[in-house]
Amino acid sequence: NAGVMQNPRHLVRRRGQEARLRCSPMKGHSHVYWYRQLPEEGLKFMVYLQKENIIDESGMPKERFSAEFPKEGPSILRIQQVVRGDSAAYFCASSHSRGNYGYTFGSGTRLTVV
Amino acid sequence: DAKTTQPTSMDCAEGRAANLPCNHSTISGNEYVYWYRQIHSQGPQYIIHGLKNNETNEMASLIITEDRKSSTLILPHATLRDTAVYYCIVRVEHGGSQGNLIFGKGTKLSVKP
Repeated sequence: NAGVMQNPRHLVRRRGQEARLRCSPMKGHSHVYWYRQLPEEGLKFMVYLQKENIIDESGMPKERFSAEFPKEGPSILRIQQVVRGDSAAYFCASSHSRGNYGYTFGSGTRLTVV
Repeated sequence: DAKTTQPTSMDCAEGRAANLPCNHSTISGNEYVYWYRQIHSQGPQYIIHGLKNNETNEMASLIITEDRKSSTLILPHATLRDTAVYYCIVRVEHGGSQGNLIFGKGTKLSVKP
């Protein structure tokens, strides 16, 4: 009974490259949430998705960042033309329903931009 | 912005109860109190949540004041593995962006031998 799986665990990108972060929710969970945690700071909400739909992207930067959760496959957080300020831990969580308290978080992807 | 206020840090002796306070004086009638924790570099872990009544599970107890303006998370017998940042969050159970988990700075609990 695997939990939320995020990969890769660590990702190094040069400035200007693209970063793709993957999140496979828990089995039976159709709601996915992405959070970003900058070094020594708290978690910041980025985006909430259901299958094939973006429900709330109020925390997403306006440029270079996008997210999807296709009908089949994992949710993807894509960062284009990365800059050093994108270096952070990116956490994904999933839940069975919107009201379910059971947000289960993955172990995160640590992105380092060099 | 987070709707809660927590002390920045606390210490607790191993084996003793850890009592973590949280103020949420502007909480609405339909908002629940949630507690999560984040052990160094790991993903946040759900602990407990409640609306009005006190709650207990295998991890902790949650005591909510009658006016719901504050609450206390109790770890009955703290161990070194309980060292973490503890987040108190108020959240609407359903509906739109208000239902998102918004993390504040939390309380850094250090359990000492």
